[in-house]
This record gives sequence, structure tokens and C-alpha cells, in this order.
Amino acid sequence: DAKTTQPTSMDCAEGRAANLPCNHSTISGNEYVYWYRQIHSQGPQYIIHGLKNNETNEMASLIITEDRKSSTLILPHATLRDTAVYYCIVRVEQAGTALIFGKGTTLSVSS
Amino acid sequence: GAVVSQHPSWVICKSGTSVKIECRSLDFQATTMFWYRQFPKQSLMLMATSNEGSKATYEQGVEKDKFLINHASLTLSTLTVTSAHPEDSSFYICSARAGARVTEAFFGQGTRLTVV
Repeated sequence: DAKTTQPTSMDCAEGRAANLPCNHSTISGNEYVYWYRQIHSQGPQYIIHGLKNNETNEMASLIITEDRKSSTLILPHATLRDTAVYYCIVRVEQAGTALIFGKGTTLSVSS
Repeated sequence: GAVVSQHPSWVICKSGTSVKIECRSLDFQATTMFWYRQFPKQSLMLMATSNEGSKATYEQGVEKDKFLINHASLTLSTLTVTSAHPEDSSFYICSARAGARVTEAFFGQGTRLTVV
């Protein structure tokens, strides 16, 4: 799986958009970008994923650069409940293999 | 999404005793389950991959005789921490795959183990 680099921590004001960057300069053509988050003392939660195109769902938007070497997770209107560690994971679709988590970004949303 | 349930949510045990943690897939069958461990302020570390009906595959550095994994059915995997010591105190999380796609991996709520 390609290596990812994320900032250690970020702050965001409640109601504002939270933009979480991820660098994955060694990503290969068949690797997807996945985002998970982990709220304190809970299991990870899937947020969104994409291959080339930008994606949007009810939780977030994922913007992937044209060269696919970086991406940004956008929480359009952050709330206090979005305070969590956000993990960017790059990997191929492969049955039977585990997700490997890096250090992630700790997002702190404050009022 | 599919539901993965862990039990117990937290447990305190005495040093030297064994503790069993259960991981159940409630509404799907999981041929593969994964066990992770997470120390405070650290990321999740994969401990082992468990396939139904066969022996688990352990990651390097994880003692298979200390962390016994049983995956006897398609909906249940158990992790037993044998002869627990204070350094085994951690947050243990299981994950189960409902299908081949990565997005079909669902996580339990975790078990906080404290060994005193």
C-alpha cells in the first residue's frame, strides 16, 4: 500500500468547513483513497473513498488532485461531534486483507 | 451499514488471569475477521487475521500463544489474552469483512482492557 502523509493535528471552528489534506505521492493506478475516522474510544468509521474522481456523500466530500498524488477530505459544516482522528489510507481493493492505519490527523472542532 | 459487536466494552482483570473478548457480526457472515490493538495516543496496530475454520495469521511481534484467536463460526471470533499483565492493557478492536470490497470492512466498538 502506498504511504500517506497527514498533518498531526488541525483545529476547526464549529460550523466552518474542515479541510483535511493527505499526501500520497507514490500512489499507483489501481489504488483507492479511503478515509476513516475514529472518535475517542470507539472503533473506526468509514467516511468515503475514491479512485480518480471527486466524491461526495452525506458525510463528506473527497477531492483528489488530477495527478492523484494528494487528496483533501472536506467536512462542509463541522460540528463538535466531528472531533476525531481522521485516517487517510491508500490501497487496492483486495479481499481478505486488513486495513493498515497510519497516525492520522486529530481534528479538534471547537465552538 | 453492517453491525459488528464486541463484548465486553471494558474489562478489568488481575495480573495473571485470562480474558476473552468476543467479536460478532450481527447481520452478515464474515469469513475473515481482524484484531487490532491500540495504545493511548497511538494508531491501531494489526495483531492478527482470523479466517473461519483455520488458524489465525499473526503479525510480526505478536505472540500467538499469548493472544489466542478462535474463529469457529462465520459470525464469531474470540480473542483470549492469556496470563494478562499490565503491559497488555490496551484498547482491542475487531473488524469483520462482509465482502471483498474494502468498504465492506466494519469495526466493533472496541474493548478497553485494564490489567491490574
